Amino acid sequence: GAVVSQHPSRVICKSGTSVKIECRSLDFQATTMFWYRQFPKQSLMLMATSNEGSKATYEQGVEKDKFLINHASLTLSTLTVTSAHPEDSSFYICSARGTGSTYNSPLHFGNGTRLTVT
Amino acid sequence: QKEVEQNSGPLSVPEGAIASLNCTYSDRVSQSFFWYRQYSGKSPELIMSIYSNGDKEDGRFTAQLNKASQYVSLLIRDSQPSDSATYLCAVIPDSSYKLIFGSGTRLLVRP
Repeated sequence: GAVVSQHPSRVICKSGTSVKIECRSLDFQATTMFWYRQFPKQSLMLMATSNEGSKATYEQGVEKDKFLINHASLTLSTLTVTSAHPEDSSFYICSARGTGSTYNSPLHFGNGTRLTVT
Repeated sequence: QKEVEQNSGPLSVPEGAIASLNCTYSDRVSQSFFWYRQYSGKSPELIMSIYSNGDKEDGRFTAQLNKASQYVSLLIRDSQPSDSATYLCAVIPDSSYKLIFGSGTRLLVRP
């Protein structure tokens, strides 16, 4: 149980274009989803927290107009990288916490999306 | 000061040895602690969670928590080459639900 599916696993796009990444909870309802970014040889950095039906909360230094997050249902959250630039190339990972979980329950992670902007 | 600190390593141990991974955290009121394993190019996978002072054992893994010292560790007994990965310590520092990761320790188990 507690499977999180992330798509696509890998994407290459040209500078200036937008890319959408989907994160789905397959066998549970996720009230809260988290988006992380990981640069090579660095740890996971939390970008934003999204709650179903409300606006995402972004961490300091993360541009909300560049990284659009939508959490329209209890099983789907999307991250859109708008006007991507080479410095946005990174490993993006979503994670989710189920409706029945407490705030300190472990997170379930998607398999990640490797974004390369040329 | 970073919220969660780990030695980046690499920590190199021979096969069959005990690997000891350490982590310190800055927020004294933190209540929830996790160890994740991450293979290169993959997303993290949960190994252990620990919430109370003391030891928690699961197979070859033992997590240790000392809230007074703000210290959490992971012991891996009978280390195998397949244990070679980056181990991430993660903490929920308060009731904000956010999981904050350390920078990770790279473990190398030599055959």
